Amino acid sequence: QQQVKQSPQSLIVQKGGISIINCAYENTAFDYFPWYQQFPGKGPALLIAIRPDVSEKKEGRFTISFNKSAKQFSLHIMDSQPGDSATYFCAASPFFSGNTPLVFGKGTRLSVIA
Amino acid sequence: DADVTQTPRNRITKTGKRIMLECSQTKGHDRMYWYRQDPGLGLQLIYYSFDVKDINKGEISDGYSVSRQAQAKFSLSLESAIPNQTALYFCATSGTRGDTQYFGPGTRLTVL
Repeated sequence: QQQVKQSPQSLIVQKGGISIINCAYENTAFDYFPWYQQFPGKGPALLIAIRPDVSEKKEGRFTISFNKSAKQFSLHIMDSQPGDSATYFCAASPFFSGNTPLVFGKGTRLSVIA
Repeated sequence: DADVTQTPRNRITKTGKRIMLECSQTKGHDRMYWYRQDPGLGLQLIYYSFDVKDINKGEISDGYSVSRQAQAKFSLSLESAIPNQTALYFCATSGTRGDTQYFGPGTRLTVL
């Protein structure tokens, strides 16, 4: 019930292409879905997050798509750049309950090649 | 200055030694967390604390203990280090609602 499944484990994309990372969850109490970005040698940092009252959220080249009925959400990186090469983690939690920490997926290592 | 600091940044120790990793934050957050990161396993929660008097076990607490000395300080101890505790350790903080977590730079621990 607490697990968040993330795929793929690694991804190689050409510069200018679209990177897509998918996550699925089972706990219907989850209602907050952030994505974290981690560069080598650094701690993860919040990239973008979505609540289930919307099906899509876009910030620059980064878009979260959310499918509540399928219990899935995904990160799309448009016009992928070498500087986007990093590890990406999806996560989930019940936002308003306040007492359950984020549950993280196992991460996707993205490499954007020129 | 960084909002979340971790010391030491790197540590090499021997099996059986006691190790303490320290975390300090200047964000004024109530909630603090310790994670372990291994390649392919993502971020595994070791312990978390919602305030100074609150300590909770995470998914992999065996072999670890913590101390919340103040709102701003949260320490992780390995009482008797073993080689499979070799990993990257992160401290994080969040506000009362528990949404955005702010991570420190990490401590790379090697147990020989």
